[in-house]
Amino acid sequence: DVKVTQSSRYLVKRTGEKVFLECVQDMDHENMFWYRQDPGLGLRLIYFSYDVKMKEKGDIPEGYSVSREKKERFSLILESASTNQTSMYLCASKNDLSDEQFFGPGTRLTVL
Amino acid sequence: KQEVTQIPAALSVPEGENLVLNCSFTDSAIYNLQWFRQDPGKGLTSLLLIQSSQREQTSGRLNASLDKSSGRSTLYIAASQPGDSATYLCAVRPGGGADGLTFGKGTHLIIQP
Repeated sequence: DVKVTQSSRYLVKRTGEKVFLECVQDMDHENMFWYRQDPGLGLRLIYFSYDVKMKEKGDIPEGYSVSREKKERFSLILESASTNQTSMYLCASKNDLSDEQFFGPGTRLTVL
Repeated sequence: KQEVTQIPAALSVPEGENLVLNCSFTDSAIYNLQWFRQDPGKGLTSLLLIQSSQREQTSGRLNASLDKSSGRSTLYIAASQPGDSATYLCAVRPGGGADGLTFGKGTHLIIQP
C-alpha cells in the first residue's frame, strides 16, 4: 500500500512565523501535491511538483512556497504565517501509471 | 473554470439500504474522476478512479459510474453499514494536462444502526 506521511497532525504557530509542513511518500511517485481544506470551500490545490526541483502553482499559491529536493519529500512553506492560513493541509502523491492520488493524514494548522 | 457539485450535501439512512451519491461537473473535458471517503479529522481514502474512456468501476459494495458527456457521476453503495458513515468526495482531473484535482464539497453520509 502507498504510504504518505505528514510531519505533524496538529500545529500551532504565531502570526509572522515561518512554517514548514513536511510530506513523505514511499512509492517512488513522480508527482506530489499540496491542498488545503476549509469548511464551505472544500479542497483547493496550492502547489504541485512533477519531479525533483520542479514545481507548478495551483489555484491558490499566494502566501506559500514549496521545496522538492528529494523525490520522496515535498515541503510546503509559509514564509510569514497569517491567521487566514489557519486550515487543514493535505499532501498527496500520485501513482504515475493509474493516475490515482493518495493522501496523507493531514496537518491541522492554527495561526494565532 | 471547472466546477464540481455534489448532491445531496448530507444524507442519513437506515442500515442495510442501497444508496446513490451524485456528482456533477461543468466541463466534460476531463481526464478522469476519482471518489474518496474522508473520516472526521482525517485524510482522504481513495475508493475508485474512473478513466474518461470508462463507464463504471466496481470495488466490493461500491460501484461508480461516469457519463462524461452529461457531466455526471454516481457512487452506488449497496447494503449500507454504519462503518460507511463518512464524507464522500468526488474529484475530477481536468483535461489538457493539468495534474491537480478539482473537488466537490462532499456528501456527509450517516448510516443509522
